[in-house]
Amino acid sequence: DTAVSQTPKYLVTQMGNDKSIKCEQNLGHDTMYWYKQDSKKFLKIMFSYNNKELIINETVPNRFSPKSPDKAHLNLHINSLELGDSAVYFCASSPPLGEQYFGPGTRLTVT
Amino acid sequence: AQTVTQSQPEMSVQEAETVTLSCTYDTSESDYYLFWYKQPPSRQMILVIRQEAYKQQNATENRFSVNFQKAAKSFSLKISDSQLGDAAMYFCAYRSAGNQFYFGTGTSLTVIP
Repeated sequence: DTAVSQTPKYLVTQMGNDKSIKCEQNLGHDTMYWYKQDSKKFLKIMFSYNNKELIINETVPNRFSPKSPDKAHLNLHINSLELGDSAVYFCASSPPLGEQYFGPGTRLTVT
Repeated sequence: AQTVTQSQPEMSVQEAETVTLSCTYDTSESDYYLFWYKQPPSRQMILVIRQEAYKQQNATENRFSVNFQKAAKSFSLKISDSQLGDAAMYFCAYRSAGNQFYFGTGTSLTVIP
């Protein structure tokens, strides 16, 4: 069974569109995260949710909105996509103590 | 905020040899966790090894071991008997007591046959 899953794994879309990436974890973790990895492989934290409540919101444009319907899911919705949004987006979860478990990543390409 | 520094953007090693990847961090906390993650071309982030700050003993996982120097805030990764499958991007990460994670900029490791 996949611990942290993301859908889709690849997403190609045009500028100005709205898209969502879904994330689910079956590990029972309370905390989930979204990261953006750019072309230079830098990992940047975007959001962190603890038990459905936002606890980190780094300097991310408000076109990005996380939604957590329950503690096993943390979806990422992106409005009005721009070329600079092209990147790999990772979902992760973690227990109270210990490491993060990452999803397989979603490669977003905006044309 | 804590920072994690990986000063080696790229490293290379001959197959079967040993290589050490460097990581330093800045923190005022006494309790925290440190990790090394591996990201192969498949892009999956894979945990290599973890170290709890309160443990003095260096963590080891098969061919992977760390040199944890708490006073110096240093956390290097040693890979022994390097294999072709070790070629990947390696990230050092810090987890604070407040459940926040900080990643270094990564070291790209090439294994030469």
